[in-house]
Amino acid sequence: EVQLVQSGGGLIQPGGSLRISCAVSGFNVSNNYMTWVRQAPGRGLEWVSIIYSDGRRYVLDSMKGRFTVSRDSSNNILFLQMNNLRVDDTAVYYCARGAGEQWLVSEIYHFYYYMDVWGKGTTVTVS
Amino acid sequence: DIVMTQSPDSLAVSLGERATINCKSSQTLFYSSNNKNYLAWYQQKPGQPPKLLIYWASTRESGVPDRFSASGSGTDFTLTISSLQAEDAAIYYCQQYYNNLPTFGQGSKVEIK
Repeated sequence: EVQLVQSGGGLIQPGGSLRISCAVSGFNVSNNYMTWVRQAPGRGLEWVSIIYSDGRRYVLDSMKGRFTVSRDSSNNILFLQMNNLRVDDTAVYYCARGAGEQWLVSEIYHFYYYMDVWGKGTTVTVS
Repeated sequence: DIVMTQSPDSLAVSLGERATINCKSSQTLFYSSNNKNYLAWYQQKPGQPPKLLIYWASTRESGVPDRFSASGSGTDFTLTISSLQAEDAAIYYCQQYYNNLPTFGQGSKVEIK
């Protein structure tokens, strides 16, 4: 059964750091495209980051230099390391698997994706 | 960034009646090279993660009831619930994946009248 079990959220002061996790079962994180999406209280969905199966990583511009996605292939876990947290980073953070198509653009493969499997979310409160 | 705008923000529909949600993108989501629209729809109930309903603008995800259908092309898309059930009360989001920066609509809340 495909399952994404999230952990690691909590209350953190502004400027602090936190690492949240997403333990995956039913498929390999290293062979898939894994994403993070967040949802601020009472707000909509905002894409945060992705790690490609080939290891490439992308993060939303506003989070560059602060947020880093990584994975532990041996234990099949996805991580999001969040540094220098701000009050407006307060949100529920979801991990999700990307599904879609890969295209060659300017000699580089890019993945165009929707999210087909989601974790239950973990709450990060910066205050 | 591609801006996704949904309408209405909320709607109240009687059980068994039709619910229609619109989603408009700031640029086309259609690739003529493969004849596909890069748009997905999700359902989110309170305290739950989003659930994928539709991808490629009109392909229903496995297990999604056939009362959910979607259509549209280019910049204008529609999600239709043909006969609203109590369990369909939720917020619905569209999402474009035409480029490397996926973006979502603001959401449309469906309530039971």
